[in-house]
Amino acid sequence: QVQLQESGPGLVKPSGTLSLTCAVSGGSISSSNWWSWVRQPPGQGLEWIGEIYHTGSTNYNLSLKSRVTISIDKSKTQFSLKLTSITAADTAVYYCARRNNWFDPWGQGTLVTVSS
Amino acid sequence: QSVLTQPPSVSGAPGQRVTISCTGSSSNIGADYDVHWYQQLPGTAPKLLIYRNTNRPSGVPDRFSGSKSGTSASLAITGLRAEDEADYYCQSYDSSLSGLVFGRGTKLTVL
Repeated sequence: QVQLQESGPGLVKPSGTLSLTCAVSGGSISSSNWWSWVRQPPGQGLEWIGEIYHTGSTNYNLSLKSRVTISIDKSKTQFSLKLTSITAADTAVYYCARRNNWFDPWGQGTLVTVSS
Repeated sequence: QSVLTQPPSVSGAPGQRVTISCTGSSSNIGADYDVHWYQQLPGTAPKLLIYRNTNRPSGVPDRFSGSKSGTSASLAITGLRAEDEADYYCQSYDSSLSGLVFGRGTKLTVL
């Protein structure tokens, strides 16, 4: 079955750019699904960041839209997240997930800490 | 502040039944957008529990059930077990925000 695995730096400096990649295995990244990013600040709830379709079409959380870019590399069966102008408020566990109306499956998540 | 409101916590003794509400508005649940539920065990990623309001993925016990009416949805858990202790989140789409939204989550404690 489809499995997702996030990777990227665990520490990012304030005002810098957060870059994460989600590797997709066990299924086609060109299937009729959206590929999404969701984050969870420590001790808090889930926040949808955005998503991408295999055609390159994207949807973003309006509250983050000015800082977010999600891209897809079908040759590498992975998709990526870039979040610019990082602050401490962006410290969170970042999850990637497949969405076909609902989110399933999810990656295990990766903690990104914003600190100098 | 989420557009989907959940109680911060619920509790129940083993064997009992609990319900978790998810209250929305005319721009999300009331607009007939589907509600999905996720279970997040401590230190793990969320896991799909209920999809399209009432459906259980394979492997989810029938002790878990979902319902939806008007601008609200509910998750019911019967025959509570210690391993049900987790955070539960509802999720839908909001047309005013043009995006996907989660409730703030409900912590279930099994007494």
